[in-house]
Amino acid sequence: DSGVTQTPKHLITATGQRVTLRCSPRSGDLSVYWYQQSLDQGLQFLIQYYNGEERAKGNILERFSAQQFPDLHSELNLSSLELGDSALYFCASSVVADTQYFGPGTRLTVL
Amino acid sequence: TQLLEQSPQFLSIQEGENLTVYCNSSSVFSSLQWYRQEPGEGPVLLVTVVTGGEVKKLKRLTFQFGDARKDSSLHITAAQPGDTGLYLCAGRPVDQAGTALIFGKGTTLSVSS
Repeated sequence: DSGVTQTPKHLITATGQRVTLRCSPRSGDLSVYWYQQSLDQGLQFLIQYYNGEERAKGNILERFSAQQFPDLHSELNLSSLELGDSALYFCASSVVADTQYFGPGTRLTVL
Repeated sequence: TQLLEQSPQFLSIQEGENLTVYCNSSSVFSSLQWYRQEPGEGPVLLVTVVTGGEVKKLKRLTFQFGDARKDSSLHITAAQPGDTGLYLCAGRPVDQAGTALIFGKGTTLSVSS
């Protein structure tokens, strides 16, 4: 158990819909990272927040957005969903930037 | 272009065999991390190597960071079915400080009994 929690574990929705994924970091970790993992692309960095502020952006689509709240939990919002958005979405947290602890992930299926 | 190239992509071996997987780059990294991921689960950090030439051992797993800090290897001795999983290396090039951690695409290891 990494100490990072993610909900929900599984999510099935239809194209065009909007979903919210939630992440609670390890106690004391100020940084939260979001990743997308698909079979063909591997683990792709989406976005990082540090203590409520956006710190770095990766290959995140404009249809996707995230935020980190004062209690340090984070949410990833995915809208206008497409079939290709089906993937595993991971959240990770860290104290030291190069040592990240991953949550169990949310498996998103878009039908 | 993949900044961190992992090889082989797939490896299927019998219990008790030894194996080595590689993580290579043309860039210099301040450190490299190795993760293991089981199906449907998140990656789990195994080790971080920081110093060029560094060797770290974790039971039957031996990790090495190249002298020039451009590559790393993971050697498993006497593999067991419990070693099955996706092995990922990750790091940040020294000339990209402040950017996101970069992951290789991984080596999928299958150990059969």
